[in-house]
Amino acid sequence: EAQVTQNPRYLITVTGKKLTVTCSQNMNHEYMSWYRQDPGLGLRQIYYSMNVEVTDKGDVPEGYKVSRKEKRNFPLILESPSPNQTSLYFCASSVTSGETYEQYFGPGTRLTVT
Amino acid sequence: KNQVEQSPQSLIILEGKNCTLQCNYTVSPFSNLRWYKQDTGRGPVSLTIMTFSENTKSNGRYTATLDADTKQSSLHITASQLSDSASYICVVILSYNTDKLIFGTGTRLQVFP
Repeated sequence: EAQVTQNPRYLITVTGKKLTVTCSQNMNHEYMSWYRQDPGLGLRQIYYSMNVEVTDKGDVPEGYKVSRKEKRNFPLILESPSPNQTSLYFCASSVTSGETYEQYFGPGTRLTVT
Repeated sequence: KNQVEQSPQSLIILEGKNCTLQCNYTVSPFSNLRWYKQDTGRGPVSLTIMTFSENTKSNGRYTATLDADTKQSSLHITASQLSDSASYICVVILSYNTDKLIFGTGTRLQVFP
């Protein structure tokens, strides 16, 4: 089954304690992205990756890091989490088909930083 | 500034009724527009995808329309069901960067029996 998986699904942590949210896709997609979703703001892109070892900042990259060592994995790293990073995080992978662009989202990771 | 605005913010309808959600965008250059359905606590799932040359696209009881001249799109839901209760997000994609998506804030739809 084609899917994007994220782990963990729920995480409560304290300020400053480094954490990693994993993301994996089994569709051999080149593009992968991380988003955060906050009430009233919609989805905002944190980082994206166009291929292995190719990453770039999205709209809200501050406080986050990513890596793309393998095509299927795109972990999101919070080196020193702060309460304003409490949010719902989505990983997505995507592929271009002709004129259209299909994106698949993971199930989300709800992060609370106290 | 590239923006996607949706209205209404929230909508309550009775089961079996039809409804229409609106999306206005100022994104340029435009590549394609999509509507997503997002159930509470889950990731968005694509409903329809339209390029700038398409006027309408259907997916079962969901019909999306696009007017590229006025930069407006709508999502019409026919004969609503309780399972239609979700947030519906309009997303526009920039043509020069196929991974640059501009998200609307969504319309929260609740269908009551």
